[in-house]
Amino acid sequence: AQSVTQLGSHVSVSEGALVLLRCNYSSSVPPYLFWYVQYPNQGLQLLLKYTSAATLVKGINGFEAEFKKSETSFHLTKPSAHMSDAAEYFCAVRKERRALTFGSGTRLQVQP
Amino acid sequence: EAEVAQSPRYKITEKSQAVAFWCDPISGHATLYWYRQILGQGPELLVQFQDESVVDDSQLPKDRFSAERLKGVDSTLKIQPAELGDSAMYLCASSSSGTSGVEAQYFGPGTRLTVL
Repeated sequence: AQSVTQLGSHVSVSEGALVLLRCNYSSSVPPYLFWYVQYPNQGLQLLLKYTSAATLVKGINGFEAEFKKSETSFHLTKPSAHMSDAAEYFCAVRKERRALTFGSGTRLQVQP
Repeated sequence: EAEVAQSPRYKITEKSQAVAFWCDPISGHATLYWYRQILGQGPELLVQFQDESVVDDSQLPKDRFSAERLKGVDSTLKIQPAELGDSAMYLCASSSSGTSGVEAQYFGPGTRLTVL
C-alpha cells in the first residue's frame, strides 16, 4: 500500500529563516504527491501538487517542493518563514483516482 | 471562488444519540470524499463516491455509520449511535473526474464532533 512518512511532528523556525518540512513516500510507481496546510479548526488547503511535469513544483504562499525519485522524497521548503505560516502541514499520496493517504502531519511554529 | 460547503461546523452530542453531517461539493465535481481526522493525526478516508455510487467504503464502520449521495450532488454522513471514540473532525472533499488522476481534492471547513 502506498504511504507517506513525515519526519518531525513539530518544527520550529525563526521568522525569516528557511522552512524545511520532510516527506518520504513509498510507492512502486511514480506517485501523485500533494502538500496541504491546515489552520486551527479549518479544512485543508492545497499548497501544491506533483504532476510529473517538473521535479520542482511551486505552490502558493511562496512554498515549493522538489520531487527526488532516487530519495523517494518530496520535501516542502520556503526560503523565508512568515508568522502567518504557522500551521499544520500534511503530505499526501494518491493512487490513480483513489482517495488521498496522508502523513501524520508536521506542526510548524514560527518564532518572532 | 467555488468552495466545498459543510454543516454544521460544530456538533456536540451525547453518546448513543444520532448525528448527521451535510456536504455540498464544488459544482461539477463528480467525486466526493468523507474523511475523519482525529486530533493530532492526518485525515483518513471513510467513504468515496463517484457520482451517486460508492467507490470505496472499506474503512467505514458500517454498523453505525452510513453515507449517501442520492442525486450525485450533495451528501450526508450519519452516525447512529454515536460513541465517545467518534469525537473528531469530519472533512468532506471533492474533485473533478479527469483522466490523469492527478486532480486535486478540495476540502470543506469540516465539522468538529464532540461526543459526551
